[in-house]
This record gives sequence, C-alpha cells and structure tokens, in this order.
Amino acid sequence: DAKTTQPPSMDCAEGRAANLPCNHSTISGNEYVYWYRQIHSQGPQYIIHGLKNNETNEMASLIITEDRKSSTLILPHATLRDTAVYYCIVRVGGKLIFGQGTELSVKP
Amino acid sequence: GAVVSQHPSRVICKSGTSVKIECRSLDFQATTMFWYRQFPKKSLMLMATSNEGSKATYEQGVEKDKFLINHASLTLSTLTVTSAHPEDSSFYICSALLRDRERNTIYFGEGSWLTVV
Repeated sequence: DAKTTQPPSMDCAEGRAANLPCNHSTISGNEYVYWYRQIHSQGPQYIIHGLKNNETNEMASLIITEDRKSSTLILPHATLRDTAVYYCIVRVGGKLIFGQGTELSVKP
Repeated sequence: GAVVSQHPSRVICKSGTSVKIECRSLDFQATTMFWYRQFPKKSLMLMATSNEGSKATYEQGVEKDKFLINHASLTLSTLTVTSAHPEDSSFYICSALLRDRERNTIYFGEGSWLTVV
C-alpha cells in the first residue's frame, strides 16, 4: 500500500503558485519522497525528490517538514500545461507504490 | 531528465496470442526496471521488478507465467503477455532506475496501450 495521502483534487489559477500537500506520517528515516505527474494517456513524468532537505529544480520546489511527516510540492507559476495528476510517493524497498494522487486543474 | 522508451506505443492482438512490449533506457544503464499496468481513471499498479541477469520479482497477485519479464541487458527489459485475453487490455508502463550515488531517480516510459480483441 502507498504510504502517502493526498487531496483528490485541487484548482489553481494560471500564473499563481500551486501548492500540493502530501502526508507521509509513517515514513522511515532513509526513505525518499518522490513527486511525479501524469498527463492523460502518458507515462508519469519525474518532477523532484528529496530526503529531508528542501529541494528545488527547474520544474518545482519540494518542501519537507522537519519531522518528515509531510511535504509540499510548489509549482511557482502554474500554467495550463501543468494540469495533470500529481503523485507523491515514498519509495519503500526500492519500489514506487502509487497512491491515488491529486488531480490539479489550472484554470485561466 | 533521462530517457526511457517503450515500444510499441499501441498494439492490438487477438485473444490467445502473445504480445511483447519493450522498455529501453536510452542514455543510461539500468540494472533495475519496473513494470506497471494502469486501468482507465485508476492509479498505476506495480506488477514486477525486473533485475538484469536474474529473475523478475512479481507483486502479489500477478501471474508470473502470464506476464513474462526478461531483462537480458542493462538497457532493455521486455514484458510478454502470454495467451492474452480481453481483460488484459490495459496501459502498460515501464520505468528504469538511474543510480547516482545516493540520489537514485526512477524515470518512466511513455506507456504502451494493449488492446486484446
């Protein structure tokens, strides 16, 4: 079973920051948090991952709480192309077990 | 990011036949690859972990004799659906593990649509 819980859906206005939360209260000390997104009928796209420090790349920022029980993916300036299902995944035993994700709708 | 390619992207086969899907890591070597299937409006379900040079490890409930996985090289894993039935129709997706010291990243292919008629 997936070790994460996410809201099923969120809306965001185009040009604004999209903040996607994720709870992973049972995460262990050496387990990484990964974020992917999937646009309809395509394979998941890697976004970012981290262990305990905040991470930033050209796509997004990942903020992990100090106790590591939750994290937030931030898309700083959402565009219509960012509409997708976003998956927060704790990698356990080397495997990515997907939960239901958050369906993000970016609206004009 | 690294590139993982699947072929074919779409395939239609007759009931009772077998169909092979290929997964290639194009710009890195992957000792470990994963196979998933996804039904419409559902999340991805892990089927098996494929390790180069050894037998695949299947998730509970996945028939290893029906879904044959071969990982004969560091850049290629194949999934063969044997004696296909219409209920095997699904979106099959592979992924490959890129090892980079401690920051291991898993990249996914574009997926393969299988329709069994």
